Amino acid sequence: DAGVIQSPRHEVTEMGQEVTLRCKPISGHDYLFWYRQTMMRGLELLIYFNNNVPIDDSGMPEDRFSAKMPNASFSTLKIQPSEPRDSAVYFCASGLGSYRTEAFFGQGTRLTVV
Amino acid sequence: LAKTTQPISMDSYEGQEVNITCSHNNIATNDYITWYQQFPSQGPRFIIQGYKTKVTNEVASLFIPADRKSSTLSLPRVSLSDTAVYYCLADSGNTPLVFGKGTRLSVIA
Repeated sequence: DAGVIQSPRHEVTEMGQEVTLRCKPISGHDYLFWYRQTMMRGLELLIYFNNNVPIDDSGMPEDRFSAKMPNASFSTLKIQPSEPRDSAVYFCASGLGSYRTEAFFGQGTRLTVV
Repeated sequence: LAKTTQPISMDSYEGQEVNITCSHNNIATNDYITWYQQFPSQGPRFIIQGYKTKVTNEVASLFIPADRKSSTLSLPRVSLSDTAVYYCLADSGNTPLVFGKGTRLSVIA
């Protein structure tokens, strides 16, 4: 398996634009997590899914953020409209059942909003 | 969710053994101790997990005393490539991982 695949690896966008980040989890994993990492706040959990269903989105900072998982092999994190303070590295991770503590992370998407 | 405390940073020379201690005074009975490693520009990577006593794998050893209020990650004979941020987590496996700030290890030649 190629691991968790995220795209794009880098994204530069102007304030106010819509941004969509994509994630392909490891095949067979039933949990998917979206994290955001900044120097100031470290790694923050934004939202996670179990069997494609959102379980907890309390970490999503504002209504500008939304996430979907239409099927077991794909998830998106959308920011609309984007703001400079959204600049961060966004990680997607997947895990399996009772071994959820061993989460497998993607390479991340570095988002810069100018 | 147990809160963990670990040093912000550590320095070590190549070839030395590095021990990173993590405090988790309020750890719950069903919490496991898990360590992740994060290299620059990469996502965190699982390295070891334990419940009590000692666990060893090809990367590291994890020591957890009987009271489980702390744990120590031991990296034998570090090299420059071990320079990374190391995260200690205490988690029951019933909730997603919550990462602290971690310990930034710098290995010096």
